[in-house]
Amino acid sequence: IAGITQAPTSQILAAGRRMTLRCTQDMRHNAMYWYRQDLGLGLRLIHYSNTAGTTGKGEVPDGYSVSRANTDDFPLTLASAVPSQTSVYFCASKLAVSTGELFFGEGSRLTVL
Amino acid sequence: SQKIEQNSEALNIQEGKTATLTCNYTNYSPAYLQWYRQDPGRGPVFLLLIRENEKEKRKERLKVTFDTTLKQSLFHITASQPADSATYLCALEGRSQGNLIFGKGTKLSVKP
Repeated sequence: IAGITQAPTSQILAAGRRMTLRCTQDMRHNAMYWYRQDLGLGLRLIHYSNTAGTTGKGEVPDGYSVSRANTDDFPLTLASAVPSQTSVYFCASKLAVSTGELFFGEGSRLTVL
Repeated sequence: SQKIEQNSEALNIQEGKTATLTCNYTNYSPAYLQWYRQDPGRGPVFLLLIRENEKEKRKERLKVTFDTTLKQSLFHITASQPADSATYLCALEGRSQGNLIFGKGTKLSVKP
């Protein structure tokens, strides 16, 4: 059982470049989330999707976009990366909006120079 | 604005003692409160969930309390072990949306 798979594990990116972080889950969970984790700031929600075909903005959505074409995949795109987007990004999912437990991926460490 | 505070960034205790971590919140009425464990370089892992109408929940050596009047949760690890060393995150979930808001975490170190 893979759970949630994130790719890449780590990436160094030049400012201004476009980058897509991939997230795939095999648990048939309806709700999916993208968080960023920064030292001293904790986990902050970027975007979420309650079910395939719908997305919503979290606490820090600026500079990021998401899509949810199917149940399994929830990619996060940085259209034009900036150094302040240097962070560790976590994808997470849960069975449904009304259920509690979140399952996290192992994270994607992104450095924007 | 909604705010979650975990009382200390770091907590150092001796093996065998009980670790107590605190989570306080303001401007929020959560339906659920959750605790997660995070090891360095890994994603958070779910530990326990407690509902607003529950006072206490236990799982093996773990115990969580939830006081909606004080707006506080306490997380206890009894008979702590060095393997319990990790960062512990508190998270709140509202009634309508299902999105979790996380605290910044408390790094627990259990010394042998």
